[in-house]
Amino acid sequence: AQKVTQAQTEISVVEKEDVTLDCVYETRDTTYYLFWYKQPPSGELVFLIRRNSFDEQNEISGRYSWNFQKSTSSFNFTITASQVVDSAVYFCALSLQDQGAQKLVFGQGTRLTINP
Amino acid sequence: DAGVIQSPRHEVTEMGQEVTLRCKPISGHDYLFWYRQTMMRGLELLIYFNNNVPIDDSGMPEDRFSAKMPNASFSTLKIQPSEPRDSAVYFCASSRDQFETYGYTFGSGTRLTVV
Repeated sequence: AQKVTQAQTEISVVEKEDVTLDCVYETRDTTYYLFWYKQPPSGELVFLIRRNSFDEQNEISGRYSWNFQKSTSSFNFTITASQVVDSAVYFCALSLQDQGAQKLVFGQGTRLTINP
Repeated sequence: DAGVIQSPRHEVTEMGQEVTLRCKPISGHDYLFWYRQTMMRGLELLIYFNNNVPIDDSGMPEDRFSAKMPNASFSTLKIQPSEPRDSAVYFCASSRDQFETYGYTFGSGTRLTVV
C-alpha cells in the first residue's frame, strides 16, 4: 500500500514554542517525492516544500525545517519559535508516478493551533 | 500569474440538481487535477488530465460525476444529480510536468453544499 500517516490529529502550543509535525509514509517506489502543504483558515492549499527520495539532506527555510529519513520512512516538519499565523492544517503528501504525472496521496492532516 | 482560478467559491444547491464546478489552470501547465476534501476521507484525487485528455478517472466516485477539459485553459466537474453526501470542498490543481519543482498549484476551492 502507498499511504501517508500523520498520527497527530491536533496540536496546540503556546506562541514561541517549537513544534514538530510527524509524517510517516509507505511506498513501493524507489523514486518518489514528498511534500508539505499548509491550509490556513481561509482554505487554500499552500505549497511549502518538495523533497525527492534521493535527497536526504535536511532543509531549513526561516523558521521552518524538514527532516527526511528514509530509514524510518519519515518526513517530519518543525516550526521554530511558532507564531499565531502558523495556525493551520498541515498536510504531508507522497507522489505516485503515473504516466508522467505526479499523483499526490495526502495524509489526513494535522491541525496546528498556536495560542498567544 | 493569476494562479489556478476556480468558480464559484461557494455553491449551495438542492438535492437532485445539476452542479457544475469550473477551473482555469495556469497557462502552460500540462496537467490538471480535481481533488475533493471531506472530513471523513480527507483529500482524494478524483481525476486528472494531461494535455486536455483524461488519464485516470479511477477516483471519480460514481457515474453521477463527470469531468471535461475542452481546451487547455478550462475544465469542468459536473455532478448530476447531486446528493447531500457530495457536500465537500472541491479543489482544482495544475502542474507543468512530472518534474514540477513546486508541486501542484491549487486553486482556492469550491465549497459545495447539497441540501
